[in-house]
Amino acid sequence: KQEVTQIPAALSVPEGENLVLNCSFTDSAIYNLQWFRQDPGKGLTSLLLIQSSQREQTSGRLNASLDKSSGRSTLYIAASQPGDSATYLCAVTWSGGSYIPTFGRGTSLIVHP
Amino acid sequence: DTGVSQNPRHKITKRGQNVTFRCDPISEHNRLYWYRQTLGQGPEFLTYFQNEAQLEKSRLLSDRFSAERPKGSFSTLEIQRTEQGDSAMYLCASSLSGITYEQYFGPGTRLTVT
Repeated sequence: KQEVTQIPAALSVPEGENLVLNCSFTDSAIYNLQWFRQDPGKGLTSLLLIQSSQREQTSGRLNASLDKSSGRSTLYIAASQPGDSATYLCAVTWSGGSYIPTFGRGTSLIVHP
Repeated sequence: DTGVSQNPRHKITKRGQNVTFRCDPISEHNRLYWYRQTLGQGPEFLTYFQNEAQLEKSRLLSDRFSAERPKGSFSTLEIQRTEQGDSAMYLCASSLSGITYEQYFGPGTRLTVT
């Protein structure tokens, strides 16, 4: 079964820390992987998309990496700020199907001043 | 490009009533997806359209749920005879088929069944 797991489920850090969020997936035959941010009661905002042929993507203070062979992706957030507090979700689209992503449960991040 | 919009944003209904939600995708996107999300979970796929054709439905989608995308533009999701277990956030997303299938989400419709 194709599954996506995000650990930890929750994380609380002081402002200014660099942090890493983890996403693991059970099938290495992926098409792409997308990281989202979700604020409470809101929709999902796309942060970064990594295609299967790519190793990483960067946007501002965010860097996402992809290692298909180990079934892992990490989202690195540099110099965290209270405004980064949100739930971060990982979604994997597998190859050879309907290109419908499977989502993890997310990591709830709190950055305190 | 105004993004994906959903209406209403919130809906409170009594058990047994029918409800309908609307999603307007990004105008040039040919794919439209519906998801359901409950607290502490990631979005669960319900159904998707490519243009006006409904190509896949999840086994989560009971007979009480129906979706349409009549002209390949906006879509509606109807829930008949609502149950308390239908209380959730209903999310709509759109994408272009082809190279990336990158998904863009709307703000969601929060349904509460009392």
